[in-house]
Amino acid sequence: AQSVAQPEDQVNVAEGNPLTVKCTYSVSGNPYLFWYVQYPNRGLQFLLKYITGDNLVKGSYGFEAEFNKSQTSFHLKKPSALVSDSALYFCAVWRGSTLGRLYFGRGTQLTVWP
Amino acid sequence: DTGVSQDPRHKITKRGQNVTFRCDPISEHNRLYWYRQTLGQGPEFLTYFQNEAQLEKSRLLSDRFSAERPKGSFSTLEIQRTEQGDSAMYLCASSLPGTGPLANEQFFGPGTRLTVL
Repeated sequence: AQSVAQPEDQVNVAEGNPLTVKCTYSVSGNPYLFWYVQYPNRGLQFLLKYITGDNLVKGSYGFEAEFNKSQTSFHLKKPSALVSDSALYFCAVWRGSTLGRLYFGRGTQLTVWP
Repeated sequence: DTGVSQDPRHKITKRGQNVTFRCDPISEHNRLYWYRQTLGQGPEFLTYFQNEAQLEKSRLLSDRFSAERPKGSFSTLEIQRTEQGDSAMYLCASSLPGTGPLANEQFFGPGTRLTVL
């Protein structure tokens, strides 16, 4: 069963504009949700996570994400995009077992043009 | 650099050959994970160690794949009789012990890109 969906393969935005990268999940219970970023020929870098508490989570490099339980979404946002934000972004969910495997979406390629 | 390291970064091999990859996790992390990432896909879980014990294996991990973590520190992933379908990026990650939120934050290495000709 699909645990995480990233409905957009690509997102294009002009520098200085706000950006949103979408993620929806489908797991039972209370999920732990993560965003990772991948630059070319690099491993995944952790951006932010939602465990519990405030639905708005702030992370690295000015990114934030909003957890919406009713819509089962965890969209990544940034108020003002930079060209250097161009990368591949992955949403991931931890299902709450004790074993810790992450389930990743297919990724969204973000391109910020000058 | 005290992050997760992987060796080699690139490996080209011929079909039918055996290959072995190494992962060195962050030193205080007792949990270690292997993932496989193919083009256009997110990473897919392969296996997980807590210290030296292999606690979970994905169905993706066929009998040609074996992973070890003999002393609870570095880990190796071996693929025997490689096939062209094994071509992928193999990612290693590690995380802290425990059950709290920090234990779920996985730190990834740069990956080993395998090409099977």
